Amino acid sequence: DIQMTQSPSSLSASVGDRVTITCRASQGISNYLNWYQHKAGRAPKLLIYAASKLQSGVPSRFSGSGSGTDFTLTISGLQPEDFATYYCHQSYTPTFTFGPGTKVDIK
Amino acid sequence: EVQLVDSGGSLAQPGGSLRLSCAASGFIVSIKYMTWVRQTPGKGLEWVSVIYSGGDNTYYADSVKGRFTISRDNSKNTLYLQMNSLRVEDTAVYYCAGRSGSGSYGMDVWGQGTTVTVSS
Repeated sequence: DIQMTQSPSSLSASVGDRVTITCRASQGISNYLNWYQHKAGRAPKLLIYAASKLQSGVPSRFSGSGSGTDFTLTISGLQPEDFATYYCHQSYTPTFTFGPGTKVDIK
Repeated sequence: EVQLVDSGGSLAQPGGSLRLSCAASGFIVSIKYMTWVRQTPGKGLEWVSVIYSGGDNTYYADSVKGRFTISRDNSKNTLYLQMNSLRVEDTAVYYCAGRSGSGSYGMDVWGQGTTVTVSS
């Protein structure tokens, strides 16, 4: 199975900050990398699919990049509603895997 | 637009069984695959199982293989997860989710989650 790692595991940031989260796959997954936002008590929300495509309805301050094994999620100008946990997810193989998550909280 | 409503979560004893359901409405024919994802207390998201449209291929996480079975009833537009030989570590919020967009990418539709507690 493909293993996914994320860094950092948590970070503290202020409103307006630029935040970058990285995700690494244990083997090449082309662009089959997706990013989700998850808040407690709510269903996860797809932000980015195919590594860099913005899901409909998601603010443009979210962006994704990368291919192969290394990927990045960037939030340009953190907003109060962005404090949450972010997960990467590979759909390259039919046995999906998620990264361990990155918790973004208020500094 | 596709909407999902999952149900069936409850308290079960170790070794017991539960069946989760996920009712779909909307533009069902657009769905490429349906999956179950869980979040255990204090931990992250864990993929559980997937069933693909147009062939019914199914796949499972190693942690549930041989114990859980994913299936669907197209006549009822409903996805199921039969959970047998439950363990304490299966305690989690279970979400059904699916892909209605193009390609085999991320899950863009989600149920609200249903809670499974395994305890004696």
